[in-house]
Amino acid sequence: EPEVTQTPSHQVTQMGQEVILRCVPISNHLYFYWYRQILGQKVEFLVSFYNNEISEKSEIFDDQFSVERPDGSNFTLKIRSTKLEDSAMYFCASRVSLYNEQFFGPGTRLTVL
Amino acid sequence: EDQVTQSPEALRLQEGESSSLNCSYTVSGLRGLFWYRQDPGKGPEFLFTLYSAGEEKEKERLKATLTKKESFLHITAPKPEDSATYLCAVRTNNNDMRFGAGTRLTVKP
Repeated sequence: EPEVTQTPSHQVTQMGQEVILRCVPISNHLYFYWYRQILGQKVEFLVSFYNNEISEKSEIFDDQFSVERPDGSNFTLKIRSTKLEDSAMYFCASRVSLYNEQFFGPGTRLTVL
Repeated sequence: EDQVTQSPEALRLQEGESSSLNCSYTVSGLRGLFWYRQDPGKGPEFLFTLYSAGEEKEKERLKATLTKKESFLHITAPKPEDSATYLCAVRTNNNDMRFGAGTRLTVKP
């Protein structure tokens, strides 16, 4: 069964460093998403991406964040200068269309020291 | 403001003891209500989508129902392997997903 994959599973970084989180969505999906979940808190929407551009973004997704689909398979989230409060699980999701469910990846645990 | 509230926060059941989880929502335009299961350290796993009041979906021991203001996830004769956090989410007019905080279900053998 096709699934969303994410790498790495755990990333540890120093405050102020740049990190890139990688996702491979399901191959025939057209809509891509990033969410984050701070330990013990809700899953929060960050950004949606369709047709090579951002469709929607939340207040969390400020200028420190960017997304890219550099080729036909990868979807990346970049955090330019990490802060302690960026420590969270980051989930990638994809869907075939707006009328179908989103499938989530296993997440990347980001720890900022 | 769009809000999704789940109750209870935590629920402990004995194996075989049926119960229901609640998800109440206030959104400007509901374009689907979703139930997910999340195991510790994992991503949400899709269970159901409901679109209109009166709709019901079933899968094994789980049944989801929807009214104009809330959704219920009924668990019939649960087993220990049903232990997980159950998340409710709504898709809004902006096409983003708004999640509730989840109900942490523990089923004791």
